[in-house]
Amino acid sequence: DADVTQTPRNRITKTGKRIMLECSQTKGHDRMYWYRQDPGLGLRLIYYSFDVKDINKGEISDGYSVSRQAQAKFSLSLESAIPNQTALYFCATSDPPTDYGYTFGSGTRLTVV
Amino acid sequence: GDSVTQMEGPVTLSEEAFLTINCTYTATGYPSLFWYVQYPGEGLQLLLKATKADDKGSNKGFEATYRKETTSFHLEKGSVQVSDSAVYFCALSDPGGGFKTIFGAGTRLFVKA
Repeated sequence: DADVTQTPRNRITKTGKRIMLECSQTKGHDRMYWYRQDPGLGLRLIYYSFDVKDINKGEISDGYSVSRQAQAKFSLSLESAIPNQTALYFCATSDPPTDYGYTFGSGTRLTVV
Repeated sequence: GDSVTQMEGPVTLSEEAFLTINCTYTATGYPSLFWYVQYPGEGLQLLLKATKADDKGSNKGFEATYRKETTSFHLEKGSVQVSDSAVYFCALSDPGGGFKTIFGAGTRLFVKA
């Protein structure tokens, strides 16, 4: 099994629908992150969580919310999807110190039509 | 604020050619530096890292040296293979800038047989 598992791998949804992307990890890491990848823009941070009770906004959190259900689970929700949220979404984990690097999931490709 | 700038792609090389992908950074403190690789349809994988000035990170024939005087961390490989075709991301993690890892926009590499 992968260290960081994201579901679904692909999803097409309609404008205005609520959608949840899920992430689970077996690394035992405290820190979890949601990133969005768009062509030419690299990865941009949406939300991050240092533990179950600590959730913080990243640089592009508008239109998104998250839930840290357990140390191993971190979900991203789009409350009312819009077409410019079409992107590749990645979950990642790390343990301090952060100079050990991140472990990424395989991504969820989301299309909003 | 902290930032990472990579050379724009795509970079197209023939097999066995020498590869350089330039990366420069700005940071408030003393960051750790990383290169990640993303193969088609997959998440990012940590390729190599360096945590202090003059450190050299290396993995799978790739190398990068942390140059504080030029604020650079260029990725090199002496002889690329078709299997090296991927997108490469430079990134930094700066304790002086908080927890965050900042990613460059990515450089796509195509290697022709």
